[in-house]
Amino acid sequence: NAGVTQTPKFQVLKTGQSMTLQCAQDMNHNSMYWYRQDPGMGLRLIYYSASEGTTDKGEVPNGYNVSRLNKREFSLRLESAAPSQTSVYFCASSPGLTDTQYFGPGTRLTVL
Amino acid sequence: QKEVEQDPGPLSVPEGAIVSLNCTYSNSAFQYFMWYRQYSRKGPELLMYTYSSGNKEDGRFTAQVDKSSKYISLFIRDSQPSDSATYLCAMSVNYGQNFVFGPGTRLSVLP
Repeated sequence: NAGVTQTPKFQVLKTGQSMTLQCAQDMNHNSMYWYRQDPGMGLRLIYYSASEGTTDKGEVPNGYNVSRLNKREFSLRLESAAPSQTSVYFCASSPGLTDTQYFGPGTRLTVL
Repeated sequence: QKEVEQDPGPLSVPEGAIVSLNCTYSNSAFQYFMWYRQYSRKGPELLMYTYSSGNKEDGRFTAQVDKSSKYISLFIRDSQPSDSATYLCAMSVNYGQNFVFGPGTRLSVLP
């Protein structure tokens, strides 16, 4: 039981490049989330998916898109990366929206 | 003013000390309060959550909420080097929805 896994662990992009961050959970959870963590800012919600087939914007969705591929997987895409998107990205999952969230290990992204 | 504030630290204490970590907030509608622990280069893990005002104890950890002062605390008794981590507070109006996180306090417990 791996919990929440994220790939890649590290990534360096140039401004304007695109990439997709992958997240998978094996806990049969319905809800999944993407956060970014910046120094002095705490965790901020980018997008979430209450259940398979639904996605909703969080606090800071601009510049990102998401796909809930199936119940296990929730991906985050940066279409045209900007230096302001340099951050650590965490995926989380929970049985439902009102349940405890379990976090993955994070992806450290640097945009030059 | 940020919605949730925490002293960023770092806070260094000797092993065995009692640690007090604190958050203040501005939104009086918050009802659910959580503390997460985050080890370096790892994801946050939930330590405790409380609803409304009062205290909750779990082993060496005690969470305290004072809604009248918009102030929450996490106390760690008999602190251990393994407690060295960043502690994040989080709160929401409805449990599990729209968490607002504090920026975290980095704690070092020295042997």
